[in-house]
Order: sequence, then structure tokens, then C-alpha cells
Amino acid sequence: DGGITQSPKYLFRKEGQNVTLSCEQNLNHDAMYWYRQDPGQGLRLIYYSQIVNDFQKGDIAEGYSVSREKKESFPLTVTSAQKNPTAFYLCASSPQQDTQYFGPGTRLTVL
Amino acid sequence: GENVEQHPSTLSVQEGDSAVIKCTYSDSASNYFPWYKQELGKGPQLIIDIRSNVGEKKDQRIAVTLNKTAKHFSLHITETQPEDSAVYFCAASATSGTYKYIFGTGTRLKVLA
Repeated sequence: DGGITQSPKYLFRKEGQNVTLSCEQNLNHDAMYWYRQDPGQGLRLIYYSQIVNDFQKGDIAEGYSVSREKKESFPLTVTSAQKNPTAFYLCASSPQQDTQYFGPGTRLTVL
Repeated sequence: GENVEQHPSTLSVQEGDSAVIKCTYSDSASNYFPWYKQELGKGPQLIIDIRSNVGEKKDQRIAVTLNKTAKHFSLHITETQPEDSAVYFCAASATSGTYKYIFGTGTRLKVLA
């Protein structure tokens, strides 16, 4: 069963806590992306990676960190420095400079 | 900076009628324009896309048109059905050489039975 998986589906974070969102793909795509979506709004790019061991900041990278140690995995850590992390987080992947395909998303709520 | 404007933000149509959503982009180097459908609580799903060397593309009830001169592109859904109700996003590829998309702010489509 090919595609993009994200886990967990729902995540709760306490104040001052770091949390990590998982994104895995078995599509053999080179590029992977993380987006944030707030209620009633569009998608904003957090980080993207074009190749293993390389990644670039998107438009709203502050308070987030990523790693790309394996082609199929691109985890996102939401750090305590992110002051308003409650949102729907979407991971996507694509072949080089081509169509992006999205995962099912993780809804993060700060308690 | 790079920008994609999408209109309308909400659209209600009667079942069987057509729906049109329009987007305007600012980056003349954009050469790829996908459309995504997002249902509540789910990730966006690609429904159709168009590249800059094509003026129109159709897939059953869905079509996309591109006017490069005016820098706008549109999604057309004919014979709408209740299951077409969702939020639709347009996007434009950012400056050539990057992997970034610039997304529109979305259109909430309601198809009334």
C-alpha cells in the first residue's frame, strides 16, 4: 500500500514541551515538505527538503526543526519556542520539481 | 513577493449546476498549476493540474484553463454533486529552480441538494 503516512492523527502538547510529528513515504520521492494550516486558511510552508541530509526553511520556520536522514522520512519537531502551535500539520512529497502529494495530516493541540 | 489570489472564498451552487473558481498569480516564471480538494479533517488531494505549455485540460466533469498573458487560471466543475462539497485550493509553482508552491487561500464549495 503506497503513499504518505503521518502519525499520530491527533497530538496534544503541554506548555514548554517539544513534540515530534512523523511523516513517512514509500513513493521513492526525492522532495518532502511540511505545511501548517490554520482554521479557514491556506497552507503555509514550514520546511522543505529536496534531498537526503539537506533541508531549507520555508516561510514560517521559527519554532520548528526538521531532519532528513532517510529518503522516506521527514520528521518535524515543534519546539517550545513556537508560541502558537495549535494547527493542522500536513506533510507532502514529490518527485523532483513535480506534483506534491499530501498525507492525511496531524492535528496538534496545545493544552 | 510571490502571491496567488483565489476567488471566491465561498461558493454555493445547486446540484447539477456548474462551479467556477478563479486564481491569479504574480510570478511570471510559474509554470505548473495544480488544484487540490480538501475534505474536512483530511489532507488535500490533487484533482487536476496544468502546465504552462497548455491552455486547457479536462478530466470528466473537471476542467482547468490557463491564461498566461493575464496570469490567471480557473477550475471548472460541471454537473456538480453533493460529494463535490469541499475546500478547493489552487497553487502555482514558485520561481523555477525551487520546489516551492504558492497556495491560494481556498474556496469552500457547497453543493446544495
